[in-house]
Amino acid sequence: AQSVTQLDSQVPVFEEAPVELRCNYSSSVSVYLFWYVQYPNQGLQLLLKYLSGSTLVKGINGFEAEFNKSQTSFHLRKPSVHISDTAEYFCAVSGPNFNKFYFGSGTKLNVKP
Amino acid sequence: DVKVTQSSRYLVKRTGEKVFLECVQDMDHENMFWYRQDPGLGLRLIYFSYDVKMKEKGDIPEGYSVSREKKERFSLILESASTNQTSMYLCASSSAGPNYGYTFGSGTRLTVV
Repeated sequence: AQSVTQLDSQVPVFEEAPVELRCNYSSSVSVYLFWYVQYPNQGLQLLLKYLSGSTLVKGINGFEAEFNKSQTSFHLRKPSVHISDTAEYFCAVSGPNFNKFYFGSGTKLNVKP
Repeated sequence: DVKVTQSSRYLVKRTGEKVFLECVQDMDHENMFWYRQDPGLGLRLIYFSYDVKMKEKGDIPEGYSVSREKKERFSLILESASTNQTSMYLCASSSAGPNYGYTFGSGTRLTVV
């Protein structure tokens, strides 16, 4: 079975500053990894995904994430955040032969002017 | 784009009522899922389905059932609603092809009074 830990429940940051949202996973098999974003009162949108290949994955809205197999991490980064990035971010993991996803508890990113 | 439509955005029901939450997807996805989302707990899987008339229990199936009579439609049923089922309910669909990943609906915020 897989599990996901998002280490920070809330991350406050000033506009134009860089941000990193942390995600660690545990799994006994190879995994697929995802980051989703949820804006207030909306469903979840896919930001980016790692299936295979390059460990640095670029997504929408200037976000990127790096898969680190030795540290079992998939941290999300953005070099310069905007007010519009204020949202909740979820990391998710899925095994290779199974479509079932496991989600972390979410990180609320609060971008301040 | 794949669209996942949840029939109600907000719903208020009384304790003991039978409640139906409907979800329809338009991209012929094989897999469909129901999650509930609660603050600090992230998304928890209630039930999922890999094919018509098939269903599998997720992590928190107690108090819920599902129905999948057609490929595009996946219904979540609360047989006798209770106040601890007040939550945001999210439906998702996926296929195992190149676009691997979930597409979510906008969610149904259910309040049981």
